[in-house]
Amino acid sequence: QTVVTQEPSLTVSPGGTVTLTCASSTGTVTSANYPNWFQQKPGHAPTPLIYSTSNKHSWTPARFSGSLLGGKAALTVSDVQPEDEADYYCLLHYSDGHLDWVFGGGTKLTVL
Amino acid sequence: QLQQSGPGLVKPSQTLSLTCAISGDSVSSDTAAWNWVRQSPSRGLEWLGRTLYRSKWYYDYSMSVKGRIAVNPDTSKNQFSLHLNSVTPEDTGVYYCARDSFSGWTSWGQGILVTVSS
Repeated sequence: QTVVTQEPSLTVSPGGTVTLTCASSTGTVTSANYPNWFQQKPGHAPTPLIYSTSNKHSWTPARFSGSLLGGKAALTVSDVQPEDEADYYCLLHYSDGHLDWVFGGGTKLTVL
Repeated sequence: QLQQSGPGLVKPSQTLSLTCAISGDSVSSDTAAWNWVRQSPSRGLEWLGRTLYRSKWYYDYSMSVKGRIAVNPDTSKNQFSLHLNSVTPEDTGVYYCARDSFSGWTSWGQGILVTVSS
C-alpha cells in the first residue's frame, strides 16, 4: 500500500518563509503524480491551493507556490500571514496498473 | 457547486448511502471526474472512489474499500452517489464529494459526518 508522507508539524514566524514537502513510498515524486495541495481549517472542507505540481487556482494567494524538490513535491509559503495557520495536505496520483489517489497525512502549520 | 445529502447515523453491517447534487456542471461532463473522499482522525483524508464519463462510464475504487463500494451517476438528477456496504465503526468519518479535472480538485461538497454505531 502506497504511503505519502508529510512533516507532521511546522512552525513559522509571520513574514517568514516555510516549505512543506510530500514524499512517496514508491520513490521519486514526478509531474506524473499530478501533485495537489490543499489547505484545511477546522470545520471546513479542504480548499485547493495548487494542482499539477505548480499551477495555482484563481483564488490562491500569490505567496503560495508549488514545485518538485529533491524527489518530493513541495509547497512554499512566502511572507507567511497569521491566517495561513492551518492543516495542509498533499495529494498524489498513481496509475501503475491500478488508479489511485493518495493523500498525505497532513502538516499542521503554526504561525507564531 | 456540490451539495451533499444523506443520513448521519448508520448501524454496523448496514449500507452507508450518500448523494452529491451537482450544479453548474454535468455529471456526464467529459472533462471532469466525480469523487468521494472521507476524513477521520485515525485514517486522515482518504480517497474512496470516483466515476467519470468518457464516451462510456468508468469507475475507479480504492483498494481499501474495493468490494464494498459503489459510486453511481444519476444523469436524470445530475448527481452521483456513494454506497458503502458492511460498514463498521472504522467507517465513521466526514464524507466529502469532490470534482476533479485537469484543472485540479476545484469543487468540494460541504461534508457530512457519518457515524457508524448501533
